[in-house]
Amino acid sequence: SQQGEEDPQALSIQEGENATMNCSYKTSINNLQWYRQNSGRGLVHLILIRSNEREKHSGRLRVTLDTSKKSSSLLITASRAADTASYFCATDTYQGAQKLVFGQGTRLTINP
Amino acid sequence: NAGVTQTPKFQVLKTGQSMTLQCAQDMNHNSMYWYRQDPGMGLRLIYYSASEGTTDKGEVPNGYNVSRLNKREFSLRLESAAPSQTSVYFCASRRTSGQYEQYFGPGTRLTVT
Repeated sequence: SQQGEEDPQALSIQEGENATMNCSYKTSINNLQWYRQNSGRGLVHLILIRSNEREKHSGRLRVTLDTSKKSSSLLITASRAADTASYFCATDTYQGAQKLVFGQGTRLTINP
Repeated sequence: NAGVTQTPKFQVLKTGQSMTLQCAQDMNHNSMYWYRQDPGMGLRLIYYSASEGTTDKGEVPNGYNVSRLNKREFSLRLESAAPSQTSVYFCASRRTSGQYEQYFGPGTRLTVT
């Protein structure tokens, strides 16, 4: 079962614009993580936000978490062509062992 | 420091053949995972090993077996491959219990004809 549902499924913007992706989930979580996947590659961890945090920043990335709405958003500011990739949210519902449940991803294309 | 490595990178099997996907990590991580990714989908957990000597089923374990050979290595075996197992397989590792990220290998692209 895919706990995370991501929206939009695909996003195309111009270089320099901001990109926002959303993730909704169903059950209680310990943390929520965002990963990037370049075409044909493995996933790379971007940022982790704990359930007691509301906002977190890392460079050009800003993540918010609303546990009451069971949703998160990833904002990439001042996008670059190199940001073209698929972005996945993953929820961590630690119960004896950490298991991540991934959403279906947002395909982001940055046009030069 | 190679991180997480997987072999092979590509494989084509006929229905009914068997094979083992290899995964190794050099980060001294306790936990290791196997996922599959189908086109347009996120990753689904096949099996995981929370620590050396333990393995547990994930969301989609049918048709697969795993072996945690030692702390570094975690292999995935397909005993009798089926076309439905055509997918990209990713191995990942994580430091230990607690709220940490996972590190992923480059993947194995498997086609079963």
